[in-house]
Amino acid sequence: DGGITQSPKYLFRKEGQNVTLSCEQNLNHDAMYWYRQDPGQGLRLIYYSQIVNDFQKGDIAEGYSVSREKKESFPLTVTSAQKNPTAFYLCASKTGLNQPQHFGDGTRLSIL
Amino acid sequence: AQSVTQPDIHITVSEGASLELRCNYSYGATPYLFWYVQSPGQGLQLLLKYFSGDTLVQGIKGFEAEFKRSQSSFNLRKPSVHWSDAAEYFCAVDTTDSWGKLQFGAGTQVVVTP
Repeated sequence: DGGITQSPKYLFRKEGQNVTLSCEQNLNHDAMYWYRQDPGQGLRLIYYSQIVNDFQKGDIAEGYSVSREKKESFPLTVTSAQKNPTAFYLCASKTGLNQPQHFGDGTRLSIL
Repeated sequence: AQSVTQPDIHITVSEGASLELRCNYSYGATPYLFWYVQSPGQGLQLLLKYFSGDTLVQGIKGFEAEFKRSQSSFNLRKPSVHWSDAAEYFCAVDTTDSWGKLQFGAGTQVVVTP
């Protein structure tokens, strides 16, 4: 079945450490997105990518980085510059304009 | 800039009763509108979408939503809720001037009582 796979489901970060969250899709979607979810705040856009080797900052990109070397993959790195990384991270993709986004099951990141 | 407001943070409803979740948006033109549902610890599942045409749209799991341009609203309804409908519901707005940068409301938590 086609879908979006996020891994790991749970991740712990030590002080000063960078961690990378994986997002893979086999839907052949062009665009991919990363959102951060905090209680009571809905979802906020971190980065998005419309095509391979291109990506744009969202509303809260500081402390995060991404790459888009393959159409299927859009990993998110939470750097040590992100001082409050504890949140639920969701990856999404869509096939084109005027289409809904499809979501993975998320990764919960916590600080040790 | 567009925005989405879900006025109700939390709603409690009895099983079998009707449910209506409110969503108001702010956007200059007619936006693309979505309702998503999220179970605890899970991703978001699309319930329904409105792009154009008939203002009453049907979705999955027995949900429907009505687009009212004059009120800038897109309220979600279900005639009879089931215990499995307990979840968090998000309204979202997409615009045509960018590549699908969804703007989400803060969500409404729905609790279903026996």
